[in-house]
Amino acid sequence: AQSVTQLDSHVSVSEGTPVLLRCNYSSSYSPSLFWYVQHPNKGLQLLLKYTSAATLVKGINGFEAEFKKSETSFHLTKPSAHMSDAAEYFCVVSDRYDYKLSFGAGTTVTVRA
Amino acid sequence: KAGVTQTPRYLIKTRGQQVTLSCSPISGHRSVSWYQQTPGQGLQFLFEYFSETQRNKGNFPGRFSGRQFSNSRSEMNVSTLELGDSALYLCASSIERGGGNEQFFGPGTRLTVL
Repeated sequence: AQSVTQLDSHVSVSEGTPVLLRCNYSSSYSPSLFWYVQHPNKGLQLLLKYTSAATLVKGINGFEAEFKKSETSFHLTKPSAHMSDAAEYFCVVSDRYDYKLSFGAGTTVTVRA
Repeated sequence: KAGVTQTPRYLIKTRGQQVTLSCSPISGHRSVSWYQQTPGQGLQFLFEYFSETQRNKGNFPGRFSGRQFSNSRSEMNVSTLELGDSALYLCASSIERGGGNEQFFGPGTRLTVL
């Protein structure tokens, strides 16, 4: 069985400051991990993915995430938040044998001017 | 290349009715998955189709069903609608099956059950 826990339901940051979204996962097999973003009334867009290559993964729009097996974590960061980053972010896990995506509950990011 | 398209985008039904939602995957993608998104339960996996066969199923009642056609287009059907079926239904496609393959999502169909 696989599951994801997003540790913060809501994160509020000031424009230009760093963003940290925390995610812990559980998977019986070697997991693939993803971060997706959903803007209001829009579909889900992939930010980045980890599939057992480099543990530090760079994605679109300046986001990156680090896979830490010992901590079963896959936290998402961005050095400098932009107003356009306001959205809901989902951490997602999929393992090698169970191809379905299991989503975390989501983290809503608010960016203050 | 066109993205995943879903029709209709919005739908209003009454309890007891049935509904059919359609999804056209990205050209060349053979795997189609369906998800339900609600404020209370979040995003939940419904089922996955590959080569016209259901390969994986989530924990939903039998009122939820689907199929995939030879051109990879997929439909999902919900019979005997309940108020709790009101949700955003998302379709996603990927080139192949496989945990590491990116799934591309459509904009969703928002179903309201009155």
